[in-house]
Amino acid sequence: EAQVTQNPRYLITVTGKKLTVTCSQNMNHEYMSWYRQDPGLGLRQIYYSMNVEVTDKGDVPEGYKVSRKEKRNFPLILESPSPNQTSLYFCASSLRILYNSPLHFGNGTRLTVT
Amino acid sequence: QQQVKQSPQSLIVQKGGISIINCAYENTAFDYFPWYQQFPGKGPALLIAIRPDVSEKKEGRFTISFNKSAKQFSLHIMDSQPGDSATYFCAASLTQGGSEKLVFGKGTKLTVNP
Repeated sequence: EAQVTQNPRYLITVTGKKLTVTCSQNMNHEYMSWYRQDPGLGLRQIYYSMNVEVTDKGDVPEGYKVSRKEKRNFPLILESPSPNQTSLYFCASSLRILYNSPLHFGNGTRLTVT
Repeated sequence: QQQVKQSPQSLIVQKGGISIINCAYENTAFDYFPWYQQFPGKGPALLIAIRPDVSEKKEGRFTISFNKSAKQFSLHIMDSQPGDSATYFCAASLTQGGSEKLVFGKGTKLTVNP
């Protein structure tokens, strides 16, 4: 089944403790992206990647890191999480935005930073 | 301006009624306009999309109307059903200068009462 898999689904952590949210897709998509969803603010792009070893900042990249060492994986790293990073995070992938191919989203990771 | 403004923020409709969600944009470089539907606990999923050379696209009970001169587009849900209750996001894609972005509106929470 074609899917984007994020782990974990829920995560509670403390300020400053490094964490990684994993994202994997099995559709051989070139484009991958991370979004955060907050009430009243919609979906805001954190980082995106158009191919292996090619990443770029989205609209809210501060406090986040990403890497794209393999085509299928695009982990999101919070090196020193803070309470304002408490949010619902979505990973998504697409063949290419250029081709108007749809974004396929994972089921989300709800992160709480205390 | 890489923004898409969406209204209303929330909408309550009776079963069988018409739901209308509006979006507006400024950047004429946007070249593709999808709508995504999100159910609680799930990631958004593509619902319907339109290109700017078309004024209307219909898929079942869902219709996108597009007004290029006004830089506005809207989603109409005919004969709304309780199962349509979800959050809807309009979006616009931009492929320019080697960058590929999909910009989302802030979302509309639709509730269809039985």
